Amino acid sequence: AQSVTQLGSHVSVSEGALVLLRCNYSSSVPPYLFWYVQYPNQGLQLLLKYTSAATLVKGINGFEAEFKKSETSFHLTKPSAHMSDAAEYFCAVTPLGGYQKVTFGTGTKLQVIP
Amino acid sequence: GAVVSQHPSRVICKSGTSVKIECRSLDFQATTMFWYRQFPKQSLMLMATSNEGSKATYEQGVEKDKFLINHASLTLSTLTVTSAHPEDSSFYICSARDQRGSGNEQFFGPGTRLTVL
Repeated sequence: AQSVTQLGSHVSVSEGALVLLRCNYSSSVPPYLFWYVQYPNQGLQLLLKYTSAATLVKGINGFEAEFKKSETSFHLTKPSAHMSDAAEYFCAVTPLGGYQKVTFGTGTKLQVIP
Repeated sequence: GAVVSQHPSRVICKSGTSVKIECRSLDFQATTMFWYRQFPKQSLMLMATSNEGSKATYEQGVEKDKFLINHASLTLSTLTVTSAHPEDSSFYICSARDQRGSGNEQFFGPGTRLTVL
């Protein structure tokens, strides 16, 4: 069984401030983990993924996430928020190496205040 | 990169009619595609896994006779909402797995907004 929990359905940050979106996972086997971004009325775009290589993963648009097994976390960060970062962000998990379904978190809506 | 398209992007239909949504992988072959449903301000709910050349695998609670899935080729899967009702109005998103890469990554289509009147 696998699941992800995203803490905070809404997060507001000021433009230029640090972005931190939290994700904790539960998996009975080693996981692959993903962060996706969704803009209104659009599909999902992959920001970054963890696939058991480096624990610090760098993605697009300046985002990165760190896999911490001891904390079962995969939080998403960006040093300086841009207005264009305002969107919905989804954390997702799937078992390592297997071609099985992906389980999504409930999403965090990021608001960037000018 | 891997691109997935969906058609139509938006459809409005009358209650009782059927609607077909297409999902295509444009630059890769996808033996497995997924269909999701997303209600406003909610996460994606997996409806079914579509396997090329075989029957789709539906998630618990999803009516297979209402949501017909066909995956006849390595680049095309279709979802048909039969006898649509207003409660079927939702955002439907497909994804395709590119097995050439690593990490079990899925590539998502842009979604189809279905409104049933």
